[in-house]
Amino acid sequence: DAKTTQPPSMDCAEGRAANLPCNHSTISGNEYVYWYRQIHSQGPQYIIHGLKNNETNEMASLIITEDRKSSTLILPHATLRDTAVYYCIVRVDNYGQNFVFGPGTRLSVLP
Amino acid sequence: DAGVIQSPRHEVTEMGQEVTLRCKPISGHNSLFWYRQTMMRGLELLIYFNNNVPIDDSGMPEDRFSAKMPNASFSTLKIQPSEPRDSAVYFCASSFHGGNTEAFFGQGTRLTVV
Repeated sequence: DAKTTQPPSMDCAEGRAANLPCNHSTISGNEYVYWYRQIHSQGPQYIIHGLKNNETNEMASLIITEDRKSSTLILPHATLRDTAVYYCIVRVDNYGQNFVFGPGTRLSVLP
Repeated sequence: DAGVIQSPRHEVTEMGQEVTLRCKPISGHNSLFWYRQTMMRGLELLIYFNNNVPIDDSGMPEDRFSAKMPNASFSTLKIQPSEPRDSAVYFCASSFHGGNTEAFFGQGTRLTVV
C-alpha cells in the first residue's frame, strides 16, 4: 500500500505557482520522498526527490518539513503543459525496494 | 540514451491468444520494473528484477503471466492465455540500484484483449 496521502485534485492558474501537498506521517528515517508526474497516456516522469533537505531542480522545488511527515512540491510558474497527475512516493533505496504509486493528485492548470 | 524502449506501443489480440510485451532498459541500469495501469486499480507493480534476477513477483496476477530477463538489455512480459480483463497499459521502468536514484519509465504498451 502507498504510504502517502494526497488531495485527489487541484486547480492552478497558468503562470502562478502550483503547490502540491503530500502527507507521509509514517515515513522512516531512511526513506526518501520522490515525486513523479504522468501526463495523459504517457509513462510516469521523474520530477525530484529528497531525504530531509529542500531540493530544487529545473522542473520544481521540494520542501520537506523538519519532522519529515509532509512535503510540498512547488512548480514555480505553472503552464498548461503541467496539467497531469502528480504522485508522491516514499521509498527506501535498498535492495528489493520498489516504487509504490498511490492515486496521486490530478493538477489542472487553467488559462 | 533513447530511454526505456517498449514494444509494441499498441497491441490488440483475441482472448486466448499469447501476448508478449518487450522492454529494453536504459544502458547501465541494473533494476527493471514491470507495471500495469488500469482506471480501476491505478499503477500496480507486477514484477521487479535486479541484475536480471526476479526479486519480487508478488504482483503478478496469476500463472498466466510470466516475465523474463535473459540479459541486462532485454526483458519480456508474457500473458498466455490472454483474457479481456488483462486489457491495460503496461509500463516498463529501469533504474540503477546502488544509490538514491530514480526510475525512468517507457511510454507503455496499450493492450486490448477482445
